[in-house]
Amino acid sequence: SQQGEEDPQALSIQEGENATMNCSYKTSINNLQWYRQNSGRGLVHLILIRSNEREKHSGRLRVTLDTSKKSSSLLITASRAADTASYFCWGGGGKLIFGQGTELSVKP
Amino acid sequence: GAGVSQTPSNKVTEKGKYVELRCDPISGHTALYWYRQSLGQGPEFLIYFQGTGAADDSGLPNDRFFAVRPEGSVSTLKIQRTERGDSAVYLCASSARGVTGELFFGEGSRLTVL
Repeated sequence: SQQGEEDPQALSIQEGENATMNCSYKTSINNLQWYRQNSGRGLVHLILIRSNEREKHSGRLRVTLDTSKKSSSLLITASRAADTASYFCWGGGGKLIFGQGTELSVKP
Repeated sequence: GAGVSQTPSNKVTEKGKYVELRCDPISGHTALYWYRQSLGQGPEFLIYFQGTGAADDSGLPNDRFFAVRPEGSVSTLKIQRTERGDSAVYLCASSARGVTGELFFGEGSRLTVL
């Protein structure tokens, strides 16, 4: 079973549009992290939000966390073709499990 | 080292053989994780080390899989009597602050069992 469940499973948008993806988790967490993966190899850390935070920004990324609903969202603004990748959430302090990810495709 | 290093990057073996995959974490990182990932799937948790000890090995699928980290740095994932279903990319990550900090991933070891 997955600790993190991302949705949608796949998202296709045009360059310049915003992309929003969501994550739900099952057990209590210390923090929630978002990762990006290109071509099935190593994952790259994007942003970490702690359980006592509600919103965090980093460049074109905005992440929110609702611990009462056990959910988080990642917003990528002004998307670029280079943002095409799979995105995963991971709950630190809970079960150390990733979800299936959201596959984002940004068309030029 | 500058990042997490995994060797080999690719390994092709025959069914029934023994395989070792190595992970060299970022220097000073006390936490080390192993995941495996099949095509189109998310990373599947295998085992988490804090220092030399396995803090959580609940993800190891069966007793053919074993991992060690004898000196609290390099880790080796060992797979006995490999099966075709073991084919996947095996990912290693390390963290300076365990589950409270970000994970740094290696590029993975792609295992193919023929």
